[in-house]
Amino acid sequence: ILNVEQSPQSLHVQEGDSTNFTCSFPSSNFYALHWYRWETAKSPEALFVMTLNGDEKKKGQISATLNTKEGYSYLYIKGSQPEDSATYLCAFTGNQFYFGTGTSLTVIP
Amino acid sequence: DSGVTQTPKHLITATGQRVTLRCSPRSGDLSVYWYQQSLDQGLQFLIQYYNGEERAKGNILERFSAQQFPDLHSELNLSSLELGDSALYFCASSVATGGAAYEQYFGPGTRLTVT
Repeated sequence: ILNVEQSPQSLHVQEGDSTNFTCSFPSSNFYALHWYRWETAKSPEALFVMTLNGDEKKKGQISATLNTKEGYSYLYIKGSQPEDSATYLCAFTGNQFYFGTGTSLTVIP
Repeated sequence: DSGVTQTPKHLITATGQRVTLRCSPRSGDLSVYWYQQSLDQGLQFLIQYYNGEERAKGNILERFSAQQFPDLHSELNLSSLELGDSALYFCASSVATGGAAYEQYFGPGTRLTVT
């Protein structure tokens, strides 16, 4: 069983704050790293898929970076809004899919 | 709405029984993935099918099996059910022409309760 770790486990920020989370994964047998946004009572929603070391992706105020050599990815949210409140999951893809336990973000208005 | 449909939405059954969960992928998607989310665990990958063929296998119990049909819909069969099988079962689909570096679109899930 492969370990994908996310930190912090939960985060409370004020509206307008910028924040970032970490996803750590094994640096061997890497194929892809996925980020998902998961709101309560809904299904996970794909944010990014990254495959190359040094990849950077951006969608609105959310961006992500990837370092496959050291086995981590950062997700950044610039100027958090209450609607950004959700759990952010990462998933490492090698020969199968391994999910982290997520970072729960609460943005306080 | 992701375009992935799952039926039924809820299922309550007794221990020892067998159930079938159904998933229809987004139009044009060839890959289907099954995941389990139990109360005390995160999202666990069960199995992936691509265009009718098994592509990758995760922590799927021997009591569980899946298949993908020619019309690309998939079914997950769970047999000899135990209390611990109670979970939310998600199906996801992607274009995935053989690889896993494509966005996955998740269905709404089937909530299975075993009593």
